[in-house]
Amino acid sequence: NAGVTQTPKFQVLKTGQSMTLQCAQDMNHEYMSWYRQDPGMGLRLIHYSVGAGITDQGEVPNGYNVSRSTTEDFPLRLLSAAPSQTSVYFCASRRQGSHATNEKLFFGSGTQLSVL
Amino acid sequence: AQSVAQPEDQVNVAEGNPLTVKCTYSVSGNPYLFWYVQYPNRGLQFLLKYITGDNLVKGSYGFEAEFNKSQTSFHLKKPSALVSDSALYFCAVRDTQAAGNKLTFGGGTRVLVKP
Repeated sequence: NAGVTQTPKFQVLKTGQSMTLQCAQDMNHEYMSWYRQDPGMGLRLIHYSVGAGITDQGEVPNGYNVSRSTTEDFPLRLLSAAPSQTSVYFCASRRQGSHATNEKLFFGSGTQLSVL
Repeated sequence: AQSVAQPEDQVNVAEGNPLTVKCTYSVSGNPYLFWYVQYPNRGLQFLLKYITGDNLVKGSYGFEAEFNKSQTSFHLKKPSALVSDSALYFCAVRDTQAAGNKLTFGGGTRVLVKP
């Protein structure tokens, strides 16, 4: 099982450049999300989606865009990269719905992004 | 607003000794509580969760956690630590009365188990 696949694993950008972090899952999960991980701050939610065509903002959405055209894919776009966006980015998914068994996130292996 | 605190940045323990990683939370309604583990250069992996029912929850790799509502805590424990348990551990909470499906993570606690 592939699970949650993120690409690329590493990326270096110059300030002002744009790029898209890719995330795909093969578990037919309705819920997908993007987090950034910074030392001592845990994971902070950037954007999330509860299904195709539906997205919403998390705690730290500024400077990022998302779209959800299919159930499988949830790309994260950096519009104009800034040094403050240097971080490790994780995509995560889970089944939607109120049943307790759905309350388990599956994470990708992360993208380490450096903005110079 | 929901929040999670992990008061220790790092926990050091000798192999074979008990391991405890502390977590406290704040929510308006009832909490769903989780522990995740992150090994080097990997994504987070689910360890265990508390949704309802028994306050003592058992999870993967011999870990367990106890939900204490009066102390708003959800400490992670393992009776006998292994060197392979060395990793970064995250506590997380979801407020069941809050809008959306947002999961809030603590800052993480690094566990170092020495042989």
